Amino acid sequence: RKEVEQDPGPFNVPEGATVAFNCTYSNSASQSFFWYRQDCRKEPKLLMSVYSSGNEDGRFTAQLNRASQYISLLIRDSKLSDSATYLCVVNNQAGTALIFGKGTTLSVSS
Amino acid sequence: GAVVSQHPSWVICKSGTSVKIECRSLDFQATTMFWYRQFPKQSLMLMATSNEGSKATYEQGVEKDKFLINHASLTLSTLTVTSAHPEDSSFYICSAEGETGERDTQYFGPGTRLTVL
Repeated sequence: RKEVEQDPGPFNVPEGATVAFNCTYSNSASQSFFWYRQDCRKEPKLLMSVYSSGNEDGRFTAQLNRASQYISLLIRDSKLSDSATYLCVVNNQAGTALIFGKGTTLSVSS
Repeated sequence: GAVVSQHPSWVICKSGTSVKIECRSLDFQATTMFWYRQFPKQSLMLMATSNEGSKATYEQGVEKDKFLINHASLTLSTLTVTSAHPEDSSFYICSAEGETGERDTQYFGPGTRLTVL
């Protein structure tokens, strides 16, 4: 099983749509979870951290299910500017490094 | 805050030459810096982790003699790709972790696109 697995997509949605991304991770000892966003040919940028209680930042909601080792990201009211690749990121067993998923590509069209 | 810069942004070089990439944390002290490589349509792959003043820890499969890492200060780390070959062409990204108040959060530099002819 890969350390961090994501559906690569692409997800093609119209503006205003709600879209959900899922991610699974293999290391049950992981303690830190994040969603990063990466635009084409750019560096990743932190979108949000993911907490056990779930957290929301505007149109973005992240959920963590430790029992299932599953992380999700929900984007409501999609904007054209949301088009990017979304990376699920988990820290390694030692807690010393981050492990990146391959990313899920989102394309929002008008 | 938490800005990381990288230089150069892109470089084209001949096979056999060495290329140095600098990574700087501009407004915080980076206790740890990370070097990643990303091939097209692939995920970021961690190459090595470096702590200021100590030797870098390389991931399995990454040649330490080919990818020289120096972390001389709390704001600067360098990656030197020695005797670069076309297969080393990639997007190299550094990140820094430090006293920013966010646990385990890494801040990424803008990346360096290396093309070896």
